[in-house]
Amino acid sequence: QKEVEQDPGPLSVPEGAIVSLNCTYSNSAFQYFMWYRQYSRKGPELLMYTYSSGNKEDGRFTAQVDKSSKYISLFIRDSQPSDSATYLCAMSAGSGGSNYKLTFGKGTLLTVNP
Amino acid sequence: GAVVSQHPSWVICKSGTSVKIECRSLDFQATTMFWYRQFPKQSLMLMATSNEGSKATYEQGVEKDKFLINHASLTLSTLTVTSAHPEDSSFYICSASLAGFTGELFFGEGSRLTVL
Repeated sequence: QKEVEQDPGPLSVPEGAIVSLNCTYSNSAFQYFMWYRQYSRKGPELLMYTYSSGNKEDGRFTAQVDKSSKYISLFIRDSQPSDSATYLCAMSAGSGGSNYKLTFGKGTLLTVNP
Repeated sequence: GAVVSQHPSWVICKSGTSVKIECRSLDFQATTMFWYRQFPKQSLMLMATSNEGSKATYEQGVEKDKFLINHASLTLSTLTVTSAHPEDSSFYICSASLAGFTGELFFGEGSRLTVL
């Protein structure tokens, strides 16, 4: 079993739709959870960052972490064509030494059609 | 958010030559920087962890003599691909964490290397 599983898609939705992206993981030591957006041929851009379980909202984006189920989600409301990108989940065990290292999902390719 | 700058964004070189890629944290000090490699339609693969003032820690399977990493200051890390070959062609991305780690990593724009 891979440490982080993410459906690679592709996912295609109409403009204005609610998008749900998710990842599952197996390492119970993970406590920092991130979502990155990556446009083609660009570096990943940090979208959401969550420590431990709970929800976090930022504009049209909501991140959820359920550590008991080892499941994280990213919701995008009122999706826009500019949201079309690859979304990567990432997580780490915490601070100090090699725990800084992020483990990434494979990324989900999202296309929002006008 | 914190800004990480990478240079060059795109480089083409001949087989056998060496290429240096720079990664700078522009508005914060980064005690730790990470170098990743990404193949088309694949996720990021961590190559090495770079700590300011000490030797880099390489991931298993990454040749330390081929991918030289130097982290000479709190704002600059460099990756040198030595004696490059076509199979080294890839997208290389650096990231940096804030001093006093908060769990967030900020990425550079990436550097696309093509070895002819």
